[in-house]
Amino acid sequence: SQQGEEDPQALSIQEGENATMNCSYKTSINNLQWYRQNSGRGLVHLILIRSNEREKHSGRLRVTLDTSKKSSSLLITASRAADTASYFCATGDSGGYQKVTFGTGTKLQVIP
Amino acid sequence: DGGITQSPKYLFRKEGQNVTLSCEQNLNHDAMYWYRQDPGQGLRLIYYSQIVNDFQKGDIAEGYSVSREKKESFPLTVTSAQKNPTAFYLCASSPRVATSGNTIYFGEGSWLTVV
Repeated sequence: SQQGEEDPQALSIQEGENATMNCSYKTSINNLQWYRQNSGRGLVHLILIRSNEREKHSGRLRVTLDTSKKSSSLLITASRAADTASYFCATGDSGGYQKVTFGTGTKLQVIP
Repeated sequence: DGGITQSPKYLFRKEGQNVTLSCEQNLNHDAMYWYRQDPGQGLRLIYYSQIVNDFQKGDIAEGYSVSREKKESFPLTVTSAQKNPTAFYLCASSPRVATSGNTIYFGEGSWLTVV
């Protein structure tokens, strides 16, 4: 079964606004990653946050992690039309091998 | 350029046929993966391989088979036993799997349609 569940399933905003997506998961994790997928393309890694980190930045991206609530959020500031894509969280379990489970994704539309 | 190459991009399968999707990587990664993605859904793991000549079933392996004879190649065969194969298939790889938190690199995907 899927570990991560993104919320909302779909989000539509105007260019220049901020976009926030949330991810909830069920079991203990070692790390959480966010990926982006343009329609009909492969996924591209955006950012990884480890279980001992609370916040991480990369350009216009800000990721937070709350392990007590088993949740993470991805904030895209000053959105652009080119940010239109689906965004997935992926959790890495605490096992010894690379078992990464992907959520169901948030479909973001940025209107020019 | 380094990356993962999947082929073909679009493939049509007739009922009862087996088809093979190709995946090649030149990233020198030990681990490779196959995922299935249905429209509007997340990714589900079909098979993964941590090293040459070794592979493990993922969450939805029934009706699929793989091989890992070379480090850079991990082809996926969709057999006639897979009753609902129409989907988008993604191949991926990552560095040594012993380390948690490795970034996973994806190919551009292959669309398989049953006709």
